[in-house]
Amino acid sequence: DGGITQSPKYLFRKEGQNVTLSCEQNLNHDAMYWYRQDPGQGLRLIYYSQIVNDFQKGDIAEGYSVSREKKESFPLTVTSAQKNPTAFYLCASSIRQGAGNTIYFGEGSWLTVV
Amino acid sequence: GQQVMQIPQYQHVQEGEDFTTYCNSSTTLSNIQWYKQRPGGHPVFLIQLVKSGEVKKQKRLTFQFGEAKKNSSLHITATQTTDVGTYFCAGRGFQKLVFGTGTRLLVSP
Repeated sequence: DGGITQSPKYLFRKEGQNVTLSCEQNLNHDAMYWYRQDPGQGLRLIYYSQIVNDFQKGDIAEGYSVSREKKESFPLTVTSAQKNPTAFYLCASSIRQGAGNTIYFGEGSWLTVV
Repeated sequence: GQQVMQIPQYQHVQEGEDFTTYCNSSTTLSNIQWYKQRPGGHPVFLIQLVKSGEVKKQKRLTFQFGEAKKNSSLHITATQTTDVGTYFCAGRGFQKLVFGTGTRLLVSP
């Protein structure tokens, strides 16, 4: 099946630890995104990538890092510098980054800091 | 920066009642998209509006894009329990797609 796969679905992290969330897509999309969703809140853009080996900061990039070494993969690292990392993280992709492109979301990863 | 607000934040209706959520942007939009997120799920694309004053229908759902391309609405006629979820608008301004704050809809049978 074509789509976006995120893993793990649930993750617990101790304070001070870095953690990496995986995102893989087989839709052959150029653009990929990471969003953060807090309970009862909207979606906030963390990072996005329009093409391999290139990525841009979104609205809340502090404490996060990404890489885009392959077209199909866009992992997100939540570093210990992120003050309040407990949230629902959504990876997404679109054919390209621009007007008129539908965004397809993965099923999300729940991160809890304990 | 560009901001997209939605009202209401939350609405609880009885099955069969109508529901409307409104989306307002601080800047003119090139297009607007609507997504639905079921409880515990991920957002799923519903529709895109591009033209000023555009109205589109999907069964019981009616989507409208304002004349000034700064606001939009989603109206559900005769809600059903399957309509439960959070509805997000997403407006595209100069470059980025900005998601609204969402309206959470609860439908009681």
